[in-house]
Amino acid sequence: GAVVSQHPSRVICKSGTSVKIECRSLDFQATTMFWYRQFPKQSLMLMATSNEGSKATYEQGVEKDKFLINHASLTLSTLTVTSAHPEDSSFYICSAVDGTGVAKNIQYFGAGTRLSVL
Amino acid sequence: SQQGEEDPQALSIQEGENATMNCSYKTSINNLQWYRQNSGRGLVHLILIRSNEREKHSGRLRVTLDTSKKSSSLLITASRAADTASYFCATDVYNFNKFYFGSGTKLNVKP
Repeated sequence: GAVVSQHPSRVICKSGTSVKIECRSLDFQATTMFWYRQFPKQSLMLMATSNEGSKATYEQGVEKDKFLINHASLTLSTLTVTSAHPEDSSFYICSAVDGTGVAKNIQYFGAGTRLSVL
Repeated sequence: SQQGEEDPQALSIQEGENATMNCSYKTSINNLQWYRQNSGRGLVHLILIRSNEREKHSGRLRVTLDTSKKSSSLLITASRAADTASYFCATDVYNFNKFYFGSGTKLNVKP
């Protein structure tokens, strides 16, 4: 099946630093990728929709200058948490959609990144 | 949640019993999907049901969809301890090309 690689799986950083998370589709081209945030024991909250070659579409309440998303190729999207603060600590998950064939509309998820800001 | 709710929030059953989880959503959809998440991990796709379908089966999984009530259910038959996980429904929102997740049901299957 389709594989999405997310890196790093865990990151601990000091307050004020920026952290970049990568999401790669390994064996398919993903025209659309999604970034989610998940708080402990809660559901996934959609942060933004990332389309290759265009600006990301952010959900209401998500600061685009805080969470920079770049989707430079059909296999890579990155999320940069800028000037991270303790309240940004969370589990971030990406997903990618293979827009072709029978798997169309199915999201394939990365394993997630646990961010801890000290 | 952004799109809908699931109930129950938590479910504890014995191995061999059936588990039923329900999902309600708010807007028109293209399809509805169910995912599973083991603690602290990414999500795994289980099954997709399109808006024009009413029922779908995959192995021990049975999904129903009632678009008039904006609800879906996931039935896991003959549960196993390995089914212990959180289960989420996700809706592919019509015309918006994005997915919203329900609040999730945490299933515990006791051996």
